[in-house]
Amino acid sequence: DVKVTQSSRYLVKRTGEKVFLECVQDMDHENMFWYRQDPGLGLRLIYFSYDVKMKEKGDIPEGYSVSREKKERFSLILESASTNQTSMYLCATRRGGHQNTGELFFGEGSRLTVL
Amino acid sequence: KNQVEQSPQSLIILERKNCTLQCNYTVSPFSNLRWYKQDTGRGPVSLTIMTFSENTKSNGRYTATLDADTKQSSLHITASQLSDSASYICVVIRSSNTGKLIFGQGTTLQVKP
Repeated sequence: DVKVTQSSRYLVKRTGEKVFLECVQDMDHENMFWYRQDPGLGLRLIYFSYDVKMKEKGDIPEGYSVSREKKERFSLILESASTNQTSMYLCATRRGGHQNTGELFFGEGSRLTVL
Repeated sequence: KNQVEQSPQSLIILERKNCTLQCNYTVSPFSNLRWYKQDTGRGPVSLTIMTFSENTKSNGRYTATLDADTKQSSLHITASQLSDSASYICVVIRSSNTGKLIFGQGTTLQVKP
C-alpha cells in the first residue's frame, strides 16, 4: 500500500513564524502535491512537483514555497505565517508518466492554526 | 471554464437507507472522474474511477454512474451504515500532459441511527 506521511497532524504557530510542513512517500511516485482544504472552498492546489527539483505553482501559491530535493520528500514552507493561512493542509502523491491514472494518494493532513 | 459542481452540499439520512450524490462537470477535454471518500480528520481515499466509456461501476455498496453526454456522474450508496458518514468528493481529470485535477466542493453525508 502507498503510504504518505505528513510530519505533524496538528500545529499551532504565531503570526510571522516560519513554518515547515513535511511530506514523505514510500511508493516511488513522481508527482507530489500540496493542497489546502477550507470549509465551503474544497481542496485548492498550492504547489505541485512532477519530479525531483521540479515545482509548479498551483492555484493559490501566494505566501507559500516548496522544496523537493529528494523524490520521496516534498516540503511546504510558509515564510511568514499569517492568520489567513490557518487551514488543513493535505499532501498527495500520484504515479507519473504514461502510468498516470489520476488517482491521488493522500496523507492524513496537517491542521495548522496561526494565532 | 472547467468546473465541478456537487449536490447536495450536505445530506442526513437514517441508517440502512439509500442515497444518491450528484456531480456535474464542465471539464474538457475529459480523461476520467473519481469519487473520493474523506472521513473526518483524515485524507481522502479513492472509491472508484470512471473513464469515458464506462457507464456504471460498483465498489461494494457504492455504485458510480457516468453520463459523458450530459457530463453528469452520481454516487449511489445502498443500505447506508454509520461508517458511511463522511465527505464525498468528485474529482475530474483533464486529458493533458499534466493531468490537471478539478475538484468539486464535496457533499457531507451524515448517517444517523
